[in-house]
Amino acid sequence: AQSVTQLGSHVSVSEGALVLLRCNYSSSVPPYLFWYVQYPNQGLQLLLKYTTGATLVKGINGFEAEFKKSETSFHLTKPSAHMSDAAEYFCAVSDKGYGGATNKLIFGTGTLLAVQP
Amino acid sequence: GAVVSQHPSRVICKSGTSVKIECRSLDFQATTMFWYRQFPKQSLMLMATSNEGSKATYEQGVEKDKFLINHASLTLSTLTVTSAHPEDSSFYICSASIGTGGSYSNQPQHFGDGTRLSIL
Repeated sequence: AQSVTQLGSHVSVSEGALVLLRCNYSSSVPPYLFWYVQYPNQGLQLLLKYTTGATLVKGINGFEAEFKKSETSFHLTKPSAHMSDAAEYFCAVSDKGYGGATNKLIFGTGTLLAVQP
Repeated sequence: GAVVSQHPSRVICKSGTSVKIECRSLDFQATTMFWYRQFPKQSLMLMATSNEGSKATYEQGVEKDKFLINHASLTLSTLTVTSAHPEDSSFYICSASIGTGGSYSNQPQHFGDGTRLSIL
């Protein structure tokens, strides 16, 4: 069974500083991995995804994530934080539809990012 | 592209009322739609998966008679919370995917903006 662990429920950075949000996964098959962002009282917006190919994935709003199989990690980074980046971030792994499964997403518990001026 | 519209965005109603939430894919055909529930400051809990034209698959512990799901077309799924009570108050979010398994297995889910349900 797949699972996702997000270390740090709250992360606070200064504007302009590096953003690093950690995600580790467990999967019995090669994973498909996703990062989503949620602003207050809104749904989730896809930031980026890893399926196959290049392990460094670039997403929207200057975010990127690197798939590291040896570390079972998919950490999200952004070189310079902006005030508008303050939101909740969710890492998710997909069951990929194997064995009759239905692309269900298993979400981590989320990391709330605060950006200080 | 890949816009999902969820309506209403907020509902306040009395205990015992049934509430219907709609989830529409506006610019693509969604073979599969998912319904989630999110408690304050927590992650999303998958309630059920619905495929167009067939019965929804509910997650363990989710009452299918309480949360009725209908996926009548490739662009519309509805969740009806029947005889709602205060403990059903929550944030409900739908998502849609163009397909599942096979060549669609790398397709992301696209989320609606959620419905805040408050039962008095």
